[in-house]
Amino acid sequence: GNSVTQMEGPVTLSEEAFLTINCTYTATGYPSLFWYVQYPGEGLQLLLKATKADDKGSNKGFEATYRKETTSFHLEKGSVQVSDSAVYFCALNSGGSNYKLTFGKGTLLTVNP
Amino acid sequence: SAVISQKPSRDICQRGTSLTIQCQVDSQVTMMFWYRQQPGQSLTLIATANQGSEATYESGFVIDKFPISRPNLTFSTLTVSNMSPEDSSIYLCSVTPPSGLNTGELFFGEGSRLTVL
Repeated sequence: GNSVTQMEGPVTLSEEAFLTINCTYTATGYPSLFWYVQYPGEGLQLLLKATKADDKGSNKGFEATYRKETTSFHLEKGSVQVSDSAVYFCALNSGGSNYKLTFGKGTLLTVNP
Repeated sequence: SAVISQKPSRDICQRGTSLTIQCQVDSQVTMMFWYRQQPGQSLTLIATANQGSEATYESGFVIDKFPISRPNLTFSTLTVSNMSPEDSSIYLCSVTPPSGLNTGELFFGEGSRLTVL
């Protein structure tokens, strides 16, 4: 079956530091890959996605590249802000019209001023 | 996007009781799902709520424990029956995009945090 393994948290950074949150996956076929973010007191929301190998998803300064050869989808941001403090979830579905998501455990990021 | 309202946002329940969580969406959506997030764990899909018919449950989840209703395209309920402390979790409603476009994206409610004593 499908599974997602992401970097254990919590992660604490200073403002303007570089961020990487690792995510690797196991899946059959051609999954679509996602990063969701949950800000304090809010629901999960989609941060970015990639639907095929070598695609790069990007949003709000965050990027992740779908690497089929390493089955990875690491999240990066060059300069984090205090407002980026949140829980980040890596997820996948089986692609196509399949909406069932398999999530990683989530990584809590805290950015200090 | 979709605006999803879940009620209650949190509750403290006694062992052996049941609680129903409501999910209301501001637009008609094709698919609705219920997820569970246990403390320190990832989100796990409980079931797909099907309009006008029985929900489709994932392995490890059964209708007697988690009865689900979906009377129309904007509303669903999840009941957690005969609760035990192991049911203490955040329960999340999620929906497919109201546009019907197949983007793979899901929209999530803020979740209902249940604590069972």
